[in-house]
Amino acid sequence: GENVEQHPSTLSVQEGDSAVIKCTYSDSASNYFPWYKQELGKRPQLIIDIRSNVGEKKDQRIAVTLNKTAKHFSLHITETQPEDSAVYFCAASGGSNYKLTFGKGTLLTVNP
Amino acid sequence: NAGVTQTPKFRVLKTGQSMTLLCAQDMNHEYMYWYRQDPGMGLRLIHYSVGEGTTAKGEVPDGYNVSRLKKQNFLLGLESAAPSQTSVYFCASSIPGLFAYGYTFGSGTRLTVV
Repeated sequence: GENVEQHPSTLSVQEGDSAVIKCTYSDSASNYFPWYKQELGKRPQLIIDIRSNVGEKKDQRIAVTLNKTAKHFSLHITETQPEDSAVYFCAASGGSNYKLTFGKGTLLTVNP
Repeated sequence: NAGVTQTPKFRVLKTGQSMTLLCAQDMNHEYMYWYRQDPGMGLRLIHYSVGEGTTAKGEVPDGYNVSRLKKQNFLLGLESAAPSQTSVYFCASSIPGLFAYGYTFGSGTRLTVV
């Protein structure tokens, strides 16, 4: 099955700096890569996703890049704000179109 | 439109007791899932269902059973709870062709087994 590795496990940045979280996946058949944000005590919520036929996608301050050859994808957050502090999870679809395998998460702390 | 609703939100069980977690969705989603979340382990798939009357094992199915008798409900059962099953349990649902909107998660159930 699919295996997703996520790094780093914790990331601390100053407000206004950029943050980058990286994930690698094992199943070359994976074709859907979402990112979820989970605030303390809350449910994970989808913030951005990318499909395998796209190399990059942006939505305001967040962007995701995908390198299919290297089997890795990354989340980029620019101009970080304290409200960006949360746990971020990457995921990959594996060879299916109905279930996701998640990375172990990155705790992002944005210091004012 | 409540989305995905999980009950209960909190529960404490004694070792060996049984319980059922209920997940209900009102979005007419075909697919439903149960994940557990443990510190440093991310979200791990327990069981999932791709339609009414169907269930399948995920990554960590041992000690759990599920049923999907109605399309809108997905039940997760613990027959004989163990301390290792202390976790936060999330239910999720999605439409076929997962990629359209990804998962919609419930608010979670925090289970402690003592």
